[in-house]
Amino acid sequence: DAKTTQPPSMDCAEGRAANLPCNHSTISGNEYVYWYRQIHSQGPQYIIHGLKNNETNEMASLIITEDRKSSTLILPHATLRDTAVYYCIGADSGGSNYKLTFGKGTLLTVNP
Amino acid sequence: NAGVTQTPKFRILKIGQSMTLQCTQDMNHNYMYWYRQDPGMGLKLIYYSVGAGITDKGEVPNGYNVSRSTTEDFPLRLELAAPSQTSVYFCASSYLGRRGAANEQFFGPGTRLTVL
Repeated sequence: DAKTTQPPSMDCAEGRAANLPCNHSTISGNEYVYWYRQIHSQGPQYIIHGLKNNETNEMASLIITEDRKSSTLILPHATLRDTAVYYCIGADSGGSNYKLTFGKGTLLTVNP
Repeated sequence: NAGVTQTPKFRILKIGQSMTLQCTQDMNHNYMYWYRQDPGMGLKLIYYSVGAGITDKGEVPNGYNVSRSTTEDFPLRLELAAPSQTSVYFCASSYLGRRGAANEQFFGPGTRLTVL
């Protein structure tokens, strides 16, 4: 699995966009980029994933650079309930696609 | 759907005791997982299962055992509990229908275990 690097913490004002960066310079061509989040004391929650193209769903947008060495998760209008640890994960899309490696993630604090 | 349920929510064990952490999912997922999360750390995979009757070790399997007799249930057994097993344990499930499918895992609420 690709090693990912994320800032340990970030702050965002409520109502503003939260842009969470992730570096995955060693990612291979067949590895997905996943984003999960973990609200305090709860189990992680899937947010979004992508391979090459940018992706959007009801929770967030994922922007992957053309060289695939980094990505940004965008929460367009952050709320206090988005305060959580956000995990960026690079994982195989082939036979080992069961395996997700969770690092320490980024603690996003949304401030009123 | 209840999703992934775990029992108990909290447990305190004495060193050397044994216990089973229960996990059930009602989404007909083929894959199930057990993770542990130590304070301030990410999740580490203990065991996983690709279907009933099939289990395999993850990153940190020592001191644990699992079984998967049904699609729904994936219990985790701790034998001879040690203080190093104090952690939060999460069970998860996903449906991987084909090679290369995206792995959207659904997690339970966790079991907080303290070994004294």
